[in-house]
Amino acid sequence: QQQVKQSPQSLIVQKGGISIINCAYENTAFDYFPWYQQFPGKGPALLIAIRPDVSEKKEGRFTISFNKSAKQFSLHIMDSQPGDSATYFCAASSGYSSASKIIFGSGTRLSIRP
Amino acid sequence: NAGVTQTPKFQVLKTGQSMTLQCAQDMNHEYMSWYRQDPGMGLRLIHYSVGAGITDQGEVPNGYNVSRSTTEDFPLRLLSAAPSQTSVYFCASTSGNSPLHFGNGTRLTVT
Repeated sequence: QQQVKQSPQSLIVQKGGISIINCAYENTAFDYFPWYQQFPGKGPALLIAIRPDVSEKKEGRFTISFNKSAKQFSLHIMDSQPGDSATYFCAASSGYSSASKIIFGSGTRLSIRP
Repeated sequence: NAGVTQTPKFQVLKTGQSMTLQCAQDMNHEYMSWYRQDPGMGLRLIHYSVGAGITDQGEVPNGYNVSRSTTEDFPLRLLSAAPSQTSVYFCASTSGNSPLHFGNGTRLTVT
């Protein structure tokens, strides 16, 4: 079963636009929600993460919005740039320790058109 | 720092052959894991280790073996390769409250 559902599978956005990727989870024990960014031929790398005690976290052009009651969280990329073209994975885990098993979403391939 | 190093980058096997995917990290991380990445499936955990001498199964362990004799190395063994194991394999490590650090992957094709 897929514990973290991610949509859309692919997304095309014009340069300067807003990219939005959505995720939903089922396990209410999850308390750490990272987003990973992956470029072709590379491994994923942490982009931004949030814990459920806040509803929003912003780092530069990247923002996570978190809705605990709906068990949903989303990534917003403002002023999207061609360099943002990559595959994005949402993830969730219970506990922030290194031994936690992180469950990944299915990924979104984002393309930013110049 | 090299971070997480995976070898080889590409590999083609015939059904039934065996091989070992190598993973090494130089960050003294106690936690290491193996994921496979398939289109539309995200990253699925195969096996993980919380320290030398300790390993455990993840979500999709069948057909794979691991061992952790040192902190630095965490090899993944395919004993009898099957076409269903065609995938991109990622090794990752972490320690304490740091995020997962991934290698650049091994692309495996089983014919």
